[in-house]
Amino acid sequence: QKEVEQNSGPLSVPEGAIASLNCTYSDRGSQSFFWYRQYSGKSPELIMSIYSNGDKEDGRFTAQLNKASQYVSLLIRDSQPSDSATYLCAVAFSGTYKYIFGTGTRLKVLA
Amino acid sequence: DVKVTQSSRYLVKRTGEKVFLECVQDMDHENMFWYRQDPGLGLRLIYFSYDVKMKEKGDIPEGYSVSREKKERFSLILESASTNQTSMYLCATWGNLANTGELFFGEGSRLTVL
Repeated sequence: QKEVEQNSGPLSVPEGAIASLNCTYSDRGSQSFFWYRQYSGKSPELIMSIYSNGDKEDGRFTAQLNKASQYVSLLIRDSQPSDSATYLCAVAFSGTYKYIFGTGTRLKVLA
Repeated sequence: DVKVTQSSRYLVKRTGEKVFLECVQDMDHENMFWYRQDPGLGLRLIYFSYDVKMKEKGDIPEGYSVSREKKERFSLILESASTNQTSMYLCATWGNLANTGELFFGEGSRLTVL
């Protein structure tokens, strides 16, 4: 059974701090990794994708992938109250339509 | 921008009723998906379709069926709704295996079965 694990939170950070969200996955065949943000009552939207080991930066967001440890993380620098949402980690398998989603980490940024 | 439209945002149905949830996309994507999302269980795949009239079961297909008669439209059918099908239903699309793999989601349909 392929699994994606996330701490459900809530993770509370003060405004301006770095928020660190973590995700582990069980299948070494995983090829593509995604972070989606979901505001309460809304649908998920993609904020980062990463495919190879290392860091990928996009504005205040950095995704980190370590395939040896089967670990992917999302760092949010200078956190804002508008970043308060649930963050879903998703893993996909090359050449397939199969995504596995984690249950999400709820982030609260305190003003 | 990709637009994925789900026909109903909120529905209330009675046990045993037949329920149709419709999803329409405007980006000519081959692949369409139906997920349900429940607290503590995350997003779970019900069915997906990779072409017109083609469908495959996801992880939790029991109690559901789907229809894809046209490329842009993918319908989820609950033949006889039950209370354990109360959930948020999300439709998503994906262009092809060669792209970034991003799923584009509709706004969701919150179904309550009484």
